[in-house]
Amino acid sequence: DAKTTQPTSMDCAEGRAANLPCNHSTISGNEYVYWYRQIHSQGPQYIIHGLKNNETNEMASLIITEDRKSSTLILPHATLRDTAVYYCIVRVPRGDKIIFGKGTRLHILP
Amino acid sequence: NAGVMQNPRHLVRRRGQEARLRCSPMKGHSHVYWYRQLPEEGLKFMVYLQKENIIDESGMPKERFSAEFPKEGPSILRIQQVVRGDSAAYFCASSPPASPYEQYFGPGTRLTVT
Repeated sequence: DAKTTQPTSMDCAEGRAANLPCNHSTISGNEYVYWYRQIHSQGPQYIIHGLKNNETNEMASLIITEDRKSSTLILPHATLRDTAVYYCIVRVPRGDKIIFGKGTRLHILP
Repeated sequence: NAGVMQNPRHLVRRRGQEARLRCSPMKGHSHVYWYRQLPEEGLKFMVYLQKENIIDESGMPKERFSAEFPKEGPSILRIQQVVRGDSAAYFCASSPPASPYEQYFGPGTRLTVT
């Protein structure tokens, strides 16, 4: 699985959009971009994934650059409950382990 | 459809005792993954099982740790002769046979070794 680079931590004001960047310059053609988050003391939660088109669901939007070397997870209206560690993972969609990096610790400020 | 269930949620063991952690996957899921999270560290893969088979155990410590996923019943992660360094949160994830890459995580078991 390709490596990813994320900022260690970010702050965002409550009610604003939180934009979390991820670099994955060595991504290969069959690898997808996945985002998970882990709220303190809970199990990881799937957020969204995509291959090359932008994706949106009820939780977030995923913007992938045309060259697929980076992506941004957007939480459109952050709330205090979005405070968590966010993991960007690139992997082939098959039955296999997930390799979690250090992620971005997102603090939503009241 | 209930989510992935793990029990117990908290487990305290003295050094040298055995710890048994249980994971009941979501209904219809036949793939189970175990991950460990040491205090202030990231999640690390331990083992991947399908019913009655171990698919990948590359993350399992060589000694004292074992896992099973029998035809009937929950998946069990067993730690023999626990040591303080085993204190961690252990998370289980399950996925359906049609899309084994979709992993749904349970709430975890927090093991404390005293």
